Amino acid sequence: DTGVSQDPRHKITKRGQNVTFRCDPISEHNRLYWYRQTLGQGPEFLTYFQNEAQLEKSRLLSDRFSAERPKGSFSTLEIQRTEQGDSAMYLCASSLTTSLNEKLFFGSGTQLSVL
Amino acid sequence: DAKTTQPTSMDCAEGRAANLPCNHSTISGNEYVYWYRQIHSQGPQYIIHGLKNNETNEMASLIITEDRKSSTLILPHATLRDTAVYYCIVRVDNTDKLIFGTGTRLQVFP
Repeated sequence: DTGVSQDPRHKITKRGQNVTFRCDPISEHNRLYWYRQTLGQGPEFLTYFQNEAQLEKSRLLSDRFSAERPKGSFSTLEIQRTEQGDSAMYLCASSLTTSLNEKLFFGSGTQLSVL
Repeated sequence: DAKTTQPTSMDCAEGRAANLPCNHSTISGNEYVYWYRQIHSQGPQYIIHGLKNNETNEMASLIITEDRKSSTLILPHATLRDTAVYYCIVRVDNTDKLIFGTGTRLQVFP
């Protein structure tokens, strides 16, 4: 499978615990995005990387959230001291920005439940 | 904030054309119209995009009005697998992130 891969698919944690999600983009894609989606809503932009540089962060990304893409390949999203409001689907997408209007390819997401 | 408005839901009979409208009355001259869809339990999938001219690919057709204030996504022969949430998004270019609204929930019935 050469699509965007996210791990784990599901995560259940207790309030106050830290969690980390991983995203493996399509090989050679230079841009990587993180989105969050709650039930009945469209995906909300969190942050994106161009290679290893984090170029933009949404104000939704509180201090408890941190994302990295250390070698410009896979990325991790960590949430510290989780809260029940963090329960959502976390989506990763990647793209190749060689054209003016690139297409984003999304993974199937990580479903987080905070108890 | 999303710059588009779409109906909350629509139904379509299998085999018929599904026409999904989108209003983007504040669109700028350099903004493109993108369509993505999201099937249950999956991430969004790119469908098509356009600037001024109508576009067609293997998945769908995109009709953009002359004043560019609205557009219609056409699935010519809807199947049950086309049941999904369809998002209409306006975007300047690849320097601009995708901002999703709540989309249109299309239900294709037998």
